[in-house]
Amino acid sequence: GENVEQHPSTLSVQEGDSAVIKCTYSDSASNYFPWYKQELGKGPQLIIDIRSNVGEKKDQRIAVTLNKTAKHFSLHITETQPEDSAVYFCAARAGSREKLTFGTGTRLTIIP
Amino acid sequence: KAGVTQTPRYLIKTRGQQVTLSCSPISGHRSVSWYQQTPGQGLQFLFEYFSETQRNKGNFPGRFSGRQFSNSRSEMNVSTLELGDSALYLCASSWTGEYGTQYFGPGTRLTVL
Repeated sequence: GENVEQHPSTLSVQEGDSAVIKCTYSDSASNYFPWYKQELGKGPQLIIDIRSNVGEKKDQRIAVTLNKTAKHFSLHITETQPEDSAVYFCAARAGSREKLTFGTGTRLTIIP
Repeated sequence: KAGVTQTPRYLIKTRGQQVTLSCSPISGHRSVSWYQQTPGQGLQFLFEYFSETQRNKGNFPGRFSGRQFSNSRSEMNVSTLELGDSALYLCASSWTGEYGTQYFGPGTRLTVL
């Protein structure tokens, strides 16, 4: 089955700096890669996703890149703000009929 | 559109009891997936229901079961509760499109004493 590894497990950055979280996946059939943000006491919230037919996607301060050859994808957050502090999860899925496999999460802390 | 709702939000049970959690998906979504989240194990997939049929199943014992109704609402049941079942139980619903983007509810926090 699919295995998703996520690094780092914790990340602290100064407010205004950039943060990068990386994930690798094992199943070459995976074609969908969402990222979720989970704040304390809440369920995970989808923040961005990418399909295997594109290499990069941006939404304001958030971007995701995908390297299918190397089977890894990354989340980039620029100009970080205190409200970006949360746990971030990457995930991968090989088609809508398959289960979504999650990484182990990254606790991001923005230092004011 | 209203988001995914889960009831109850908090639950305290004792070992050996059973519990039923409920999930109402986003209107129009026919797939509901359940996850267990614990600090040590992260997000673990329990099962997925689509059109009242279990489509995928994770590696959990038979004490964990679920079902889906014709209106796509879903319930999960845990029988003979153990201390290790204490966790946040999340459900997520998705449309039946090609990529099946999942949207999560707020979760039910289960504490087993």
